[in-house]
Amino acid sequence: DTGVSQDPRHKITKRGQNVTFRCDPISEHNRLYWYRQTLGQGPEFLTYFQNEAQLEKSRLLSDRFSAERPKGSFSTLEIQRTEQGDSAMYLCASSLLGGRGEKLFFGSGTQLSVL
Amino acid sequence: GNSVTQMEGPVTLSEEAFLTINCTYTATGYPSLFWYVQYPGEGLQLLLKATKADDKGSNKGFEATYRKETTSFHLEKGSVQVSDSAVYFCALSGQGAQKLVFGQGTRLTINP
Repeated sequence: DTGVSQDPRHKITKRGQNVTFRCDPISEHNRLYWYRQTLGQGPEFLTYFQNEAQLEKSRLLSDRFSAERPKGSFSTLEIQRTEQGDSAMYLCASSLLGGRGEKLFFGSGTQLSVL
Repeated sequence: GNSVTQMEGPVTLSEEAFLTINCTYTATGYPSLFWYVQYPGEGLQLLLKATKADDKGSNKGFEATYRKETTSFHLEKGSVQVSDSAVYFCALSGQGAQKLVFGQGTRLTINP
């Protein structure tokens, strides 16, 4: 169990640029989640995958955001035409499909700063 | 919709003090309740959970009881240590996928 890893740890970009983040979940986990966390707030759900299928997207996820999980392994989150309001910590989590109260394992996040 | 309200921080205590961090929730149905902890420089980790009313979750000396009548899930520890310094998040999820709804977090600092 090597944990959930996210890359890069930090990303600084200029407004209007596109950025892509990667998440590698724990290998046998079939569910993968993306959350966004702004300073002083708790994480907010963005989207999740079960294997390669994206099953739900939050209203927070505008058309500029897209996530993929090809082959049900790693996932990418792309933000097009970044805006200053996109500055946040982007968290990835994974879990094994289970019953009530399934445990999420979080990565350390990608901190995005849009200048 | 579902929501979680946490006691505002930051909270500063001396070592061996008693800790309570309040958490109340609003939800439809019967959510599962969680406390996650974020130590400095690390990712969020599950601290404890409870999946039905009157359940008590416990781990590392921390406890929280699922109180449906007061819609609360307060975190307690009898004697805190410096190593407990972290940010604590209360969260809930409905049935199905773990689309967690988090509180705003409470930063806890324990002084020796």
